[in-house]
Amino acid sequence: DAGITQSPRYKITETGRQVTLMCHQTWSHSYMFWYRQDLGHGLRLIYYSAAADITDKGEVPDGYVVSRSKTENFPLTLESATRSQTSVYFCASSAFQGREETQYFGPGTRLLVL
Amino acid sequence: SQKIEQNSEALNIQEGKTATLTCNYTNYSPAYLQWYRQDPGRGPVFLLLIRENEKEKRKERLKVTFDTTLKQSLFHITASQPADSATYLCAPYNQGGKLIFGQGTELSVKP
Repeated sequence: DAGITQSPRYKITETGRQVTLMCHQTWSHSYMFWYRQDLGHGLRLIYYSAAADITDKGEVPDGYVVSRSKTENFPLTLESATRSQTSVYFCASSAFQGREETQYFGPGTRLLVL
Repeated sequence: SQKIEQNSEALNIQEGKTATLTCNYTNYSPAYLQWYRQDPGRGPVFLLLIRENEKEKRKERLKVTFDTTLKQSLFHITASQPADSATYLCAPYNQGGKLIFGQGTELSVKP
């Protein structure tokens, strides 16, 4: 199916465990983004990537690791999950770094860290 | 630091009325601003984009204004319908292809 998908959609884990959230897009968009959404904070950018093998930090990168070996995939890893990382995580993509490119969002992953 | 402010309280209006949502930003001058809609349990969906040199943009029942002097954008939905109930996010453009999202305003349209 065309579009942007995220997996898993729901995840429960324990403090200290490593968790990887997957994001896959079929448009060959250059840019990909990871956000977290929390009550009272809205969408906050964690990491973004301009192309394969190019990543950069966003507003709240601590505790997260990303990689982008292929254009279509942009996994987000929580190296040692903490309760403060309980959130809804959204992946997004956009075609290129044109100033007016809109972002297309995935359905989100709901993560609960116990 | 750059800051985006949207009405934090939910907006409740009657069907058929015009809904007006506000987005204020401080400490920067975005070249353009986007509005997104988000339904519960789903990712945001793009609605409209307005550039800094445009005062107003329309799309069907939607209208967006952009006042760079006031550092404010207004988002209007005319003849509102219950199906318009959702959270609306303002997203001024930041450097490097990034957007900064406001917290969103929840709109509820009652029949």
